Amino acid sequence: ELKVEQNPLFLSMQEGKNYTIYCNYSTTSDRLYWYRQDPGKSLESLFVLLSNGAVKQEGRLMASLDTKARLSTLHITAAVHDLSATYFCAVEGARDMRFGAGTRLTVKP
Amino acid sequence: GAVVSQHPSRVICKSGTSVKIECRSLDFQATTMFWYRQFPKQSLMLMATSNEGSKATYEQGVEKDKFLINHASLTLSTLTVTSAHPEDSSFYICSARDLPQGYTEAFFGQGTRLTVV
Repeated sequence: ELKVEQNPLFLSMQEGKNYTIYCNYSTTSDRLYWYRQDPGKSLESLFVLLSNGAVKQEGRLMASLDTKARLSTLHITAAVHDLSATYFCAVEGARDMRFGAGTRLTVKP
Repeated sequence: GAVVSQHPSRVICKSGTSVKIECRSLDFQATTMFWYRQFPKQSLMLMATSNEGSKATYEQGVEKDKFLINHASLTLSTLTVTSAHPEDSSFYICSARDLPQGYTEAFFGQGTRLTVV
């Protein structure tokens, strides 16, 4: 069974700092997604990573995928308050997507 | 990206009544739809997968007689929570994909906040 582990679960950052969220998964997959969720809202797609070595960047966020290590990272550069949200990774399994537990990010001034 | 519309966004119902949630793909044919449940401060848990014209596949521990899923057309899936109880209060999210077209991204509805009183 596909399992997805995400860490840290909680992250409190100061504005301007950098940090990385990690997503490990248990079985072979070459499709991984990162989503953002604001309180009371649904999921907003951030990145779709479809191959080993894929790297995508949007603003202060950069995501990468290493399918051999079964690891994806979401790197936050020079955090700002607007990035405060919960971030989920999700991995494509044989027939559905499985989500990590989520990382609740709080960016403090 | 494609649009998935979920309705209603919020619903409050009395214990023992049934509630229907609709999930529509607005600009593509959703051969497969997924229903998730999310409790406060937790992740999304897959409840069931539905394919157009066939019975839904439920995840272990999800009561199929309580959570009725109908995927009668390529653009509409419904989730009916029957005889709702307070423990069914949760955030329900659908997603849709057009899988026979090869790889496609999943698109998510806006979610439905169900409160059973």
